[in-house]
Amino acid sequence: EPEVTQTPSHQVTQMGQEVILRCVPISNHLYFYWYRQILGQKVEFLVSFYNNEISEKSEIFDDQFSVERPDGSNFTLKIRSTKLEDSAMYFCASSPQGEANYGYTFGSGTRLTVV
Amino acid sequence: GEDVEQSLFLSVREGDSSVINCTYTDSSSTYLYWYKQEPGAGLQLLTYIFSNMDMKQDQRLTVLLNKKDKHLSLRIADTQTGDSAIYFCAEDNNDYKLSFGAGTTVTVRA
Repeated sequence: EPEVTQTPSHQVTQMGQEVILRCVPISNHLYFYWYRQILGQKVEFLVSFYNNEISEKSEIFDDQFSVERPDGSNFTLKIRSTKLEDSAMYFCASSPQGEANYGYTFGSGTRLTVV
Repeated sequence: GEDVEQSLFLSVREGDSSVINCTYTDSSSTYLYWYKQEPGAGLQLLTYIFSNMDMKQDQRLTVLLNKKDKHLSLRIADTQTGDSAIYFCAEDNNDYKLSFGAGTTVTVRA
């Protein structure tokens, strides 16, 4: 069964450093997403991406965050200058189309720890 | 805005039925989902229901939707130890993003 693959599974970084979280969505999917889950809290929407541009972003997704699809397979989330409160599990997801009935496939997540 | 609420914990004896409840506020929700998260793993889609349905059954899983009360439930029949996980309710009102509840941790005891 096709999977969304995320690397690394766990990343530890120092406050102020840049991090790039990587995702390989399912190959024929067109819509890509990032969500995050701070420990003990809800899973929160960050951003959606379609046709090489951001479709929608949440209030959390400020200027410190950016997304990119650098080639035909990868989808990345960059945090420019990490803060302690960026520590969370980050989930990538993809869907074949934007309509809800097609569902979303999530990756296993990257646990980011900012120290 | 969307708000999804769930009870945080459920303990159930192996072989019994589990019922996980969820309430939501957005009346324009098109689809409602149940996701399962096992320790260290990602979010696995268990089932979903379209907003014009009252019930959906899929093997051991039964989803009930009361649209008037904005209440969604997931019933797991014959709960097994492998069902121990966090279960997330989520809604999608066709704006290309999901709103999740905080998750219900289900513990299955022998």
